[in-house]
Amino acid sequence: QKEVEQNSGPLSVPEGAIASLNCTYSDRVSQSFFWYRQYSGKSPELIMSIYSNGDKEDGRFTAQLNKASQYVSLLIRDSQPSDSATYLCAVNFGNEKLTFGTGTRLTIIP
Amino acid sequence: GAGVSQSPSNKVTEKGKDVELRCDPISGHTALYWYRQSLGQGLEFLIYFQGNSAPDKSGLPSDRFSAERTGGSVSTLTIQRTQQEDSAVYLCASSPLVTQYFGPGTRLTVL
Repeated sequence: QKEVEQNSGPLSVPEGAIASLNCTYSDRVSQSFFWYRQYSGKSPELIMSIYSNGDKEDGRFTAQLNKASQYVSLLIRDSQPSDSATYLCAVNFGNEKLTFGTGTRLTIIP
Repeated sequence: GAGVSQSPSNKVTEKGKDVELRCDPISGHTALYWYRQSLGQGLEFLIYFQGNSAPDKSGLPSDRFSAERTGGSVSTLTIQRTQQEDSAVYLCASSPLVTQYFGPGTRLTVL
């Protein structure tokens, strides 16, 4: 059974600080990795995808992938109250489907 | 361009009735997924369509659930003899390859 694990939180971070969200997955053959943000009452929206080991930056967001250790993380710099949401990690295990984690609820404290 | 659309946005029905939920994927996307999300829970995979291939129905929770995709585009999820535990948000996503783009969802309430 291929699995994606996330800490459900809630994770509370002061405004302006760095929020760090982590995700581990069970299968070394995983090929692509995604972070989605889901506001309460809304559907998930894609934030970032990452395919290679290392860091990928997009504005205030940085995705980090370490395939040897089987984890992917999302860093949010200069956290804003509008970043308060549930963040879903998703992994492609070599087929076309994505396996989603249960999400980490992030709260940014003004 | 237009994103994934779903209708209705909200559906209230009585226990035992049948419901149909519709999904219009992004034009050109060959893959279409249905998920269910209960309040405060994660995404539960239901069914996956890819092109003309047989759908992956491995996530359907019971034989009361079925889905079809006509002409490789619009999809309908049908729930027969609805039960209160079917109450949830039903999300559709489409994909050109792997990355999935979600519609706004249909909130189903079974009284």
